[in-house]
Amino acid sequence: LAKTTQPISMDSYEGQEVNITCSHNNIATNDYITWYQQFPSQGPRFIIQGYKTKVTNEVASLFIPADRKSSTLSLPRVSLSDTAVYYCLVGGDNQGGKLIFGQGTELSVKP
Amino acid sequence: DAGVIQSPRHEVTEMGQEVTLRCKPISGHNSLFWYRQTMMRGLELLIYFNNNVPIDDSGMPEDRFSAKMPNASFSTLKIQPSEPRDSAVYFCASSLAVAGGTTDTQYFGPGTRLTVL
Repeated sequence: LAKTTQPISMDSYEGQEVNITCSHNNIATNDYITWYQQFPSQGPRFIIQGYKTKVTNEVASLFIPADRKSSTLSLPRVSLSDTAVYYCLVGGDNQGGKLIFGQGTELSVKP
Repeated sequence: DAGVIQSPRHEVTEMGQEVTLRCKPISGHNSLFWYRQTMMRGLELLIYFNNNVPIDDSGMPEDRFSAKMPNASFSTLKIQPSEPRDSAVYFCASSLAVAGGTTDTQYFGPGTRLTVL
């Protein structure tokens, strides 16, 4: 299973763009990159998933370079409600559905 | 859909007692996952089922833990006997994952906060 490394914490202010980078040097050919968000006292929630290049949805963008050894979650114009822990996960069908959560990045958005 | 439903939301028990946590997955989902979250160990996968069959229970900490999925709409995680170190938040999640693939989005329940005194 590919190991992921992310910053433990990040601070930001309302209205700023936040970029959280995740390293996964041992990513396998069939692995996808998935990000989850967890608010206090709640279960994790899916944000975005990608395989290569760029993926964008209504919540975030995911940038994946050609070598796929890292990925960057981009949150545009964050608000106080984006304060949460963000998990980067790498895995594919060879894990049969298993998600391995790392320690995540605790994002704190200040007014 | 109401999402993944877990009960109870909070459980306080004494060491040595049996604890049963319950989960109702989203209707139509084929895979169900049990996780445990603590400050020290983070979020750990305990076991997961696909089409009601346990696929991987390598994360179950010891024989005191057992999980069942008697049908597609219900699963239980049982701890017997419970110990203080079992105190954690236990999450249940489900996904469509017809073939058990990782790429399917997992939907998590609100969790059960277990305290063993």
